[in-house]
Amino acid sequence: GQNIDQPTEMTATEGAIVQINCTYQTSGFNGLFWYQQHAGEAPTFLSYNVLDGLEEKGRFSSFLSRSKGYSYLLLKELQMKDSASYLCAVRSEGGSYIPTFGRGTSLIVHP
Amino acid sequence: GAVVSQHPSRVICKSGTSVKIECRSLDFQATTMFWYRQFPKQSLMLMATSNEGSKATYEQGVEKDKFLINHASLTLSTLTVTSAHPEDSSFYICSVKTDGQGGETQYFGPGTRLLVL
Repeated sequence: GQNIDQPTEMTATEGAIVQINCTYQTSGFNGLFWYQQHAGEAPTFLSYNVLDGLEEKGRFSSFLSRSKGYSYLLLKELQMKDSASYLCAVRSEGGSYIPTFGRGTSLIVHP
Repeated sequence: GAVVSQHPSRVICKSGTSVKIECRSLDFQATTMFWYRQFPKQSLMLMATSNEGSKATYEQGVEKDKFLINHASLTLSTLTVTSAHPEDSSFYICSVKTDGQGGETQYFGPGTRLLVL
């Protein structure tokens, strides 16, 4: 099976930088996803990592270390609209195409 | 990408009634769609994989006779919650699988919030 851990809740200040960590244990690995989900809405795709290293996309960056079973999502220049839940999802090797989602980290950005 | 819609966006029903939720792929012919359920502050849990023209594949623990899935066309999948009970109250989200590259190969609908009284 798969086990995905991420903090339940984080708070940060507008304009600051925040790092949301995700650790996972899986039988085989075939990619890690980060999604943003505002309350009552569907998740939207943020990033995908399948190789070790940092992927940067505007204010958001995602890092992966496969040997450590670890990823983080880095949000820079935080804005109020970044208040949302951030879901880490991991896809196993060979089996289902669909990733397994973590519980999500609720990020609250305050002025 | 793909644009996915769901109808209704929210529904309130009495215990024992059945509720149908529609998931439409507006600009992509989807042979595969997925149905998820999400309880408050919980993760997205995959319920079933909907395959156009064939039977859905249900995840372990999901009752196929209670959650009926029909994927009759390449643009429409429906989820019917039969004899709904209060514990079925949840946020139901569908997604469409595309053939894109990289990680952006699954596009989600806006979700349907079901409240069973």
